[in-house]
Amino acid sequence: DSGVTQTPKHLITATGQRVTLRCSPRSGDLSVYWYQQSLDQGLQFLIQYYNGEERAKGNILERFSAQQFPDLHSELNLSSLELGDSALYFCASSVAGAGTYGYTFGSGTRLTVV
Amino acid sequence: EDKVVQSPLSLVVHEGDTVTLNCSYEVTNFRSLLWYKQEKKAPTFLFMLTSSGIEKKSGRLSSILDKKELFSILNITATQTGDSAVYLCAVETYGQNFVFGPGTRLSVLP
Repeated sequence: DSGVTQTPKHLITATGQRVTLRCSPRSGDLSVYWYQQSLDQGLQFLIQYYNGEERAKGNILERFSAQQFPDLHSELNLSSLELGDSALYFCASSVAGAGTYGYTFGSGTRLTVV
Repeated sequence: EDKVVQSPLSLVVHEGDTVTLNCSYEVTNFRSLLWYKQEKKAPTFLFMLTSSGIEKKSGRLSSILDKKELFSILNITATQTGDSAVYLCAVETYGQNFVFGPGTRLSVLP
């Protein structure tokens, strides 16, 4: 157990729907990162939050949004889902940046859009 | 555009062999380079490198960074079947952006 908790583990939903993925960072970590991993595109950085504020943005679609709450857990909202959104979504956390030990990944949420 | 390239993309060896995985990068405001091992699920952290020429070592794994030539290598000696995984290289920038390479899939045969 890495200490980073992601729920749900698996999600199957239809096109056009909206889902919310949840991440609880490791205790003491202030930064949360979201990644999308699909078979053909590898690991893609989506967005980072630090202590409740957006810190960096990567290749995140406008249909996707995220936030980090006062208790530091984060949610990634995916709307108007398309088949191509099917992927493994990882959350990672760290104290601030990559620090001395990189950052820790959760076990991911597998999203299947049908 | 920031870019991380890994080679080879796939590698098959026999137990006991030594392998070298390569990672080259082109990014603005480089901060650190990280190596991860990904088996079935979440990537697990291996090394973080910030300075050129200083080898980091953990058991049979070692890694070094060359900031002048913009590359890093990950060496695994005396490979075991448990080393079979995808090895990911990532670069962190001062903009706190993270760019991952496509990974090298290593298969170690008994």
